[in-house]
Amino acid sequence: SQKIEQNSEALNIQEGKTATLTCNYTNYSPAYLQWYRQDPGRGPVFLLLIRENEKEKRKERLKVTFDTTLKQSLFHITASQPADSATYLCARRQGGKLIFGQGTELSVKP
Amino acid sequence: DADVTQTPRNRITKTGKRIMLECSQTKGHDRMYWYRQDPGLGLRLIYYSFDVKDINKGEISDGYSVSRQAQAKFSLSLESAIPNQTALYFCATSIGEGKGDEKLFFGSGTQLSVL
Repeated sequence: SQKIEQNSEALNIQEGKTATLTCNYTNYSPAYLQWYRQDPGRGPVFLLLIRENEKEKRKERLKVTFDTTLKQSLFHITASQPADSATYLCARRQGGKLIFGQGTELSVKP
Repeated sequence: DADVTQTPRNRITKTGKRIMLECSQTKGHDRMYWYRQDPGLGLRLIYYSFDVKDINKGEISDGYSVSRQAQAKFSLSLESAIPNQTALYFCATSIGEGKGDEKLFFGSGTQLSVL
């Protein structure tokens, strides 16, 4: 089966810096990857979708890349703020449904 | 009002009890999903339904059953709850593949504790 893996270690960064989170997948490249944000006790919220034929996608301070050679997606938050602290999940399509990574917790310190 | 509503928000039950978690949506989406979330394991798919007459098992369906009573309603049942089913459960919806928007919309979750 296809797997999707994120760094389970929490990422701690200083306000104003760029946060970079990694998502790796196995086997064939999915048609797209999605990124979600989850706050404690809440359901995940969709942030960005990047398709296999797109190298990069941006939305405000967010940037996602998709490298089919490395089988990896990187999620960047520039000029990070304490309000960006949350768990970020990546997900890949598999048979019409989404399979999620375990998520990476981001903590942005003032 | 929330587009995807889960009830109850919290539930404590005892081993062996039957329990039902309910999900309703006002988004008009065809597809509905049940996930569970455990610390360190992320979201794992239990069951999913692409329309009212379609039910599919996910990664971890053992010990669970579902019912899609209508396009807007998808319930998850634990026939005989056990402690390792203690988790945070999420319902989600999506519009469907090939319709231009494949993202999921999640409910606020149900925290279930089985003692």
